[in-house]
Amino acid sequence: QLQLVQSGAEVKKPGASVKVSCKAPGHTFTKFGFNWVRQAPGQGLEWMGWISGNSGDTNYAQNLQDRVTMTTDTSTGTAYMELRGLRSDDTAMYYCARGQGVRNPSAFGVWGQGTMVTVSS
Amino acid sequence: DIVMTQSPDSLAVSLGERATINCKSSQSVLSSSNNNHYLAWYQQKPGQPPKLLIYWASTRDSGVPDRFSGSGSGTDFTLTISSLQAEDVAVYYCHQYYSAPTSFGQGTKVEI
Repeated sequence: QLQLVQSGAEVKKPGASVKVSCKAPGHTFTKFGFNWVRQAPGQGLEWMGWISGNSGDTNYAQNLQDRVTMTTDTSTGTAYMELRGLRSDDTAMYYCARGQGVRNPSAFGVWGQGTMVTVSS
Repeated sequence: DIVMTQSPDSLAVSLGERATINCKSSQSVLSSSNNNHYLAWYQQKPGQPPKLLIYWASTRDSGVPDRFSGSGSGTDFTLTISSLQAEDVAVYYCHQYYSAPTSFGQGTKVEI
């Protein structure tokens, strides 16, 4: 089944930054938007933001907009999410999810396998 | 911002019985331009990413068994599993994509 491929688990100290990648297979990267969703251990889903695979336009969750940056590399079909100023409550599984089109928002039809980010001193 | 509220938080259903999960949005998610409800349902099994089951409130995604169905309108929606199978044990989330910021319900855990 089609799936986005994410980078591996990370362990970071408080105050550090983390950058997670998400590679989309095929040659249709610019036809979709890409979302980042995180899930703290035992908790629900929290939308972090969206980036257009076509224009690079972004839309971030208000509670994260000062600390998060989303980018894309259309030459490799890869989306990136960087989170700065890490805190212990940023410990979570981070997912990328492809929208059903370029519209923001849209339903999330394809998901990555997840990247565990652990923030600990 | 639209707030999504699911009920119940958890439910236990016998194999072969019906499971019903409710989702209420704080505002309508119906588009007047295309008459579609911007509401999706996901299934998340332990250790796995969520999987899209239903979009446009009632359209099953490719490969989703027909025991899963979505219904509702306006602000009230329902996911029904007509005959629960062992592999349906999971957490289910509703999701509005009508307006940014997109938002999820808190999840409903379905057990046998």
